[in-house]
Amino acid sequence: EADIYQTPRYLVIGTGKKITLECSQTMGHDKMYWYQQDPGMELHLIHYSYGVNSTEKGDLSSESTVSRIRTEHFPLTLESARPSHTSQYLCASSARPQGANEKLFFGSGTQLSVL
Amino acid sequence: GEDVEQSLFLSVREGDSSVINCTYTDSSSTYLYWYKQEPGAGLQLLTYIFSNMDMKQDQRLTVLLNKKDKHLSLRIADTQTGDSAIYFCAERLNTGGFKTIFGAGTRLFVKA
Repeated sequence: EADIYQTPRYLVIGTGKKITLECSQTMGHDKMYWYQQDPGMELHLIHYSYGVNSTEKGDLSSESTVSRIRTEHFPLTLESARPSHTSQYLCASSARPQGANEKLFFGSGTQLSVL
Repeated sequence: GEDVEQSLFLSVREGDSSVINCTYTDSSSTYLYWYKQEPGAGLQLLTYIFSNMDMKQDQRLTVLLNKKDKHLSLRIADTQTGDSAIYFCAERLNTGGFKTIFGAGTRLFVKA
């Protein structure tokens, strides 16, 4: 059973607000990811981290930022939320891959609605 | 380019077999995966296959890989209502560094 947690589960917020989506894992995984999921669309990687103090932008351009100060914690921040940020945000982690094979463990997601 | 395509919906009757299909474009795939997402939950790894295999069976699940046609399928035998979920195909690419590309997911409806 994977131990990766995201809070809040749902968030409805007004335009211009600053928000932070939390993600924590208790598996000691080095790699962590943030994906954006919209209905009927591919999961898009927006940020990832190989470990503490490592953060990289993903394939999909995002106005969000991330930090990785502790292994277990990978929060995502939007400085000024807009309606175009409305989406499901999924956090994932993985142990050090054995060769090419990487198994991802996902949190339950945060459904963000910006009004 | 890197693209993974799946049909968006599949409806089957309880007890029938379900076959979910996926095509991918990049020939540098190393592993291919099926993830399952139940309502209100995150994705959960269901099964995976190494790219030099053509079949893998795990209880009710059978994965078939046709590397020549870049086609992956997931067969669920004796489909149950609890199998209703979104199924994501994903490929692990080696393009000078590894990355995982996901499809849009196939929503499986199981009718009682």
